[in-house]
Amino acid sequence: ETGVTQTPRHLVMGMTNKKSLKCEQHLGHNAMYWYKQSAKKPLELMFVYSLEERVENNSVPSRFSPECPNSSHLFLHLHTLQPEDSALYLCASSQEFPGGTSGGMNYEQYFGPGTRLTVT
Amino acid sequence: GENVEQHPSTLSVQEGDSAVIKCTYSDSASNYFPWYKQELGKGPQLIIDIRSNVGEKKDQRIAVTLNKTAKHFSLHITETQPEDSAVYFCAAKAGNMLTFGGGTRLMVKP
Repeated sequence: ETGVTQTPRHLVMGMTNKKSLKCEQHLGHNAMYWYKQSAKKPLELMFVYSLEERVENNSVPSRFSPECPNSSHLFLHLHTLQPEDSALYLCASSQEFPGGTSGGMNYEQYFGPGTRLTVT
Repeated sequence: GENVEQHPSTLSVQEGDSAVIKCTYSDSASNYFPWYKQELGKGPQLIIDIRSNVGEKKDQRIAVTLNKTAKHFSLHITETQPEDSAVYFCAAKAGNMLTFGGGTRLMVKP
């Protein structure tokens, strides 16, 4: 286990539903990430939080809404999704964010198992 | 932005043989290059990484080499075992973000 957990592991939702994905890291890390993994496409970074502040939003549609209430938890709120949003959503964490002010180099990312999302 | 190309997309080897996966990157400012292994139903797991001030790094059967001049880096797995079968991803960090390659599906035949 990597110390990063995600729930649920599988989710099926209709296009009009509202659901949330949850990520929790038990590593004491300061940065957390959401990635989208689609078939035959490289991992796509969606959002980055460093010390609970969003530092990157990689041109993600507004139907995806992240929330980071504290440094251990990260949520991805979903509403009015499209079938093409079906994918594996991965959460990751790292000790530091590469663009952070600490100047440290502990930015190895550790991934959770992912949530397999199917939009019908 | 950074662009990472990974080859081959699939690789099949006999147990005991070596496997090599290659990646090229576009941004000469990239300074950190991790490799991840993803097994079925799991998230990517960091297996080895290298920083730009080092040319080679080894950890048991796994080694990574970096050629900054040519902007490419490679993963070498020796004495492959069936449990090495998985999808492997390379990545490069330029600025604050990791950019991932498209992945290589490695199959080790017993």
